[in-house]
Amino acid sequence: DIQMTQSPSSLSASVGDRVTITCRASQSISRYLNWYQQKPGKAPKLLIYAASSLQSGVPSRFSGSGSGTDFALTISSLQHEDFANYYCQHSYSIPQTFGQGTKVEIK
Amino acid sequence: EVQLVESGGGLIQPGGSLRLSCAASGFIVSNNYMSWVRQAPGKGLEWVSVIYSGGNTYYADSVKGRFTISRDNSKNTLYLQMNSLRAEDTAVYYCAREVMVRGVSNFDYWGQGSLVTVSS
Repeated sequence: DIQMTQSPSSLSASVGDRVTITCRASQSISRYLNWYQQKPGKAPKLLIYAASSLQSGVPSRFSGSGSGTDFALTISSLQHEDFANYYCQHSYSIPQTFGQGTKVEIK
Repeated sequence: EVQLVESGGGLIQPGGSLRLSCAASGFIVSNNYMSWVRQAPGKGLEWVSVIYSGGNTYYADSVKGRFTISRDNSKNTLYLQMNSLRAEDTAVYYCAREVMVRGVSNFDYWGQGSLVTVSS
């Protein structure tokens, strides 16, 4: 199985900060990488698919980059509504595994 | 509008069985890949199972042989039959639609989740 490792596990940031979360795959997954946001008690929401494509309706302050084994999710200017958990997920093969998550908290 | 609504969760004793349902609207279940993803309390997301449009099914090793994914085309509904339940199966179970965009699949729509608690 392909393992997905996110870092950091949590971070504290202020509104307006630029935030980057990284995700590393245990083997090359080309661009088969998606990012999700999850708020407490809610279902995950797709933000970025195919490593760098912005899902319809998602604010442009979210962006994704990377290919192969190393990926990143960047929020260019953190907003109040962005404080949440973020997960990467590969869809390269079965089983499709998720990273352990990154909690973005208010500083 | 695409909607997924899960039902069937609850409290069940270890070794028991439960069937989750996921009623879909706004699209045809049998034309899509459909997955179940679970989340144990306070933990991350874990993919559980998928059924492809052609009918092929796949499972995580942790549930293989105990869980069965299926669909009823006439009801446009996805199911997860869970047998021999264990405490470690306690989680919120989400159904999700999986779509292929630019050759890469992703989960674009999710249900609200159904809590399954396995405890004596």
